[in-house]
Amino acid sequence: GEDVEQSLFLSVREGDSSVINCTYTDSSSTYLYWYKQEPGAGLQLLTYIFSNMDMKQDQRLTVLLNKKDKHLSLRIADTQTGDSAIYFCAEYGSSNTGKLIFGQGTTLQVKP
Amino acid sequence: DSGVTQTPKHLITATGQRVTLRCSPRSGDLSVYWYQQSLDQGLQFLIQYYNGEERAKGNILERFSAQQFPDLHSELNLSSLELGDSALYFCASSVGTRQQETQYFGPGTRLLVL
Repeated sequence: GEDVEQSLFLSVREGDSSVINCTYTDSSSTYLYWYKQEPGAGLQLLTYIFSNMDMKQDQRLTVLLNKKDKHLSLRIADTQTGDSAIYFCAEYGSSNTGKLIFGQGTTLQVKP
Repeated sequence: DSGVTQTPKHLITATGQRVTLRCSPRSGDLSVYWYQQSLDQGLQFLIQYYNGEERAKGNILERFSAQQFPDLHSELNLSSLELGDSALYFCASSVGTRQQETQYFGPGTRLLVL
């Protein structure tokens, strides 16, 4: 079946690195996404990775993909208080549509 | 700003009522998606339209319906509302229907059913 799992909560100190983990089930997913949701706001696309890549770096964000273990991670370097938000990983459903399957979301708390 | 607009931002109504949520996709996008975000179910895909036609259906209740108009805006109709329908409803859009096309989300409509 289609399922995306994430840990629910992560707390870090400002300036530290944050690593948010995600596991997915559909090995046919071609793209995997990270979205950010700030309190009371919509979903903001952060980054994505194509399934034939192992790593993608975008400024402070690094996405690592382990296809064998179906494991995706998002690393935020030099985490700031403004990074406090809920982070969702998402994959496309197995059917040939644009249906995104989201994880439960990881709440990142950044302490000053 | 994603370019996707949704109205209204907030909606408070009573059980048994009917409401309509509206979404305007980004300029040039032909696909519109509706998602529901609730505390117990998380983010769930409801339905997708592409260029006016229904493309995919997810966990959408029979009491809910949607359509996409010729100008590509979409409406999600929720009827016989129940307390459990209280949620944040997101609309997203993409250029087409392929997996590599990024979905851009609107700010959402927060529905509270009393």
